[in-house]
Amino acid sequence: GENVEQHPSTLSVQEGDSAVIKCTYSDSASNYFPWYKQELGKRPQLIIDIRSNVGEKKDQRIAVTLNKTAKHFSLHITETQPEDSAVYFCAASIRGNNRLAFGKGNQVVVIP
Amino acid sequence: EPEVTQTPSHQVTQMGQEVILRCVPISNHLYFYWYRQILGQKVEFLVSFYNNEISEKSEIFDDQFSVERPDGSNFTLKIRSTKLEDSAMYFCASSENLGPATETQYFGPGTRLLVL
Repeated sequence: GENVEQHPSTLSVQEGDSAVIKCTYSDSASNYFPWYKQELGKRPQLIIDIRSNVGEKKDQRIAVTLNKTAKHFSLHITETQPEDSAVYFCAASIRGNNRLAFGKGNQVVVIP
Repeated sequence: EPEVTQTPSHQVTQMGQEVILRCVPISNHLYFYWYRQILGQKVEFLVSFYNNEISEKSEIFDDQFSVERPDGSNFTLKIRSTKLEDSAMYFCASSENLGPATETQYFGPGTRLLVL
């Protein structure tokens, strides 16, 4: 079955610096990779996703890169702000299958 | 912007009791899901539902679990005889359809279930 690992588990950054979170997946058939942000007590919110036919996608201060050969994808947050503090989950799905396999989450803390 | 809603937000129950968790997916969505998150652990897939039947379920989704779409708007998860280890946050999600690639799944706010 699919296995998704996230690193690091906790990340502290100074406000204005960049944060990078990396996920690895095990199933080469995975073709869809979303990132969710979960603030304390709230629902997971999709912030960006990428499909296997592209290598990079950017949306303002957030970007995701995908390396299919190495089976890893990364979330990049630039110019971090205190409101970026949250738990970030990566996930991967299987071709022809809506099931998402999630990583354990990264706690990102932006220090003002 | 339409959102997935869930009720109740919190549920406390005695071991062995039945619970029903309710979800209202986004209105034009066709695929529905249940996930759970045990405190401090990863979000785990339970079941997906399409066209009034289960399309896939995980090994967690045993005979104690069932899902139903009783009407045109609700999607429910029933746990027949709760166990202590069922204590978790249960998330409902929905997606618009299944295209060549997986469509985006939108999550509800979750129901926190505590089994005593």
